[in-house]
Amino acid sequence: SQTIHQWPATLVQPVGSPLSLECTVEGTSNPNLYWYRQAAGRGLQLLFYSVGIGQISSEVPQNLSASRPQDRQFILSSKKLLLSDSGFYLCAWSTGGVYGYTFGSGTRLTVV
Amino acid sequence: TQLLEQSPQFLSIQEGENLTVYCNSSSVFSSLQWYRQEPGEGPVLLVTVVTGGEVKKLKRLTFQFGDARKDSSLHITAAQPGDTGLYLCAGEERGSTLGRLYFGRGTQLTVWP
Repeated sequence: SQTIHQWPATLVQPVGSPLSLECTVEGTSNPNLYWYRQAAGRGLQLLFYSVGIGQISSEVPQNLSASRPQDRQFILSSKKLLLSDSGFYLCAWSTGGVYGYTFGSGTRLTVV
Repeated sequence: TQLLEQSPQFLSIQEGENLTVYCNSSSVFSSLQWYRQEPGEGPVLLVTVVTGGEVKKLKRLTFQFGDARKDSSLHITAAQPGDTGLYLCAGEERGSTLGRLYFGRGTQLTVWP
């Protein structure tokens, strides 16, 4: 069966520090991968998506970047965090169509 | 610009009541999905509707896709405290080979015992 792992679950980082959030998928090949941010338990904002290794598309200009070094690994990074980067970050995968997205359990990031 | 508008944003009801949540757009979608999210967790897919006018039932939950594939509704009968959560609708962009979804802002449902 397919599973998605996302870590860490919570993170408190000082302003100006780097960030690396990792997401891995098991049980499927060549999935579409996504990073979302959710503010205050509300709607999801798409940050990045990837259709294959090394292929990253950015939806919103920001202080973040993403990479896909392996087929089932998706990494969200920042060189210097801002206060506004705080939020709930969600990784998801899909193969399109009616099966929808499968989300990870999320990372609560607080920048202080 | 929010592609999908959900209403109401907040809903607080007593156990046993019925409720309807709406998801509207001016855009046409190839499919529409509903998710439920609990605090501190990722959203979980409830249903996908793909045909205009389609109605799907999941126990006490009834989902409908509008004839023009621009809107959808979620009706819950005899709500229970376990139905509490954030309900999100998401539309798949027409013609998308990526399966890209546009999410609404969600409806926060609270069901009191």
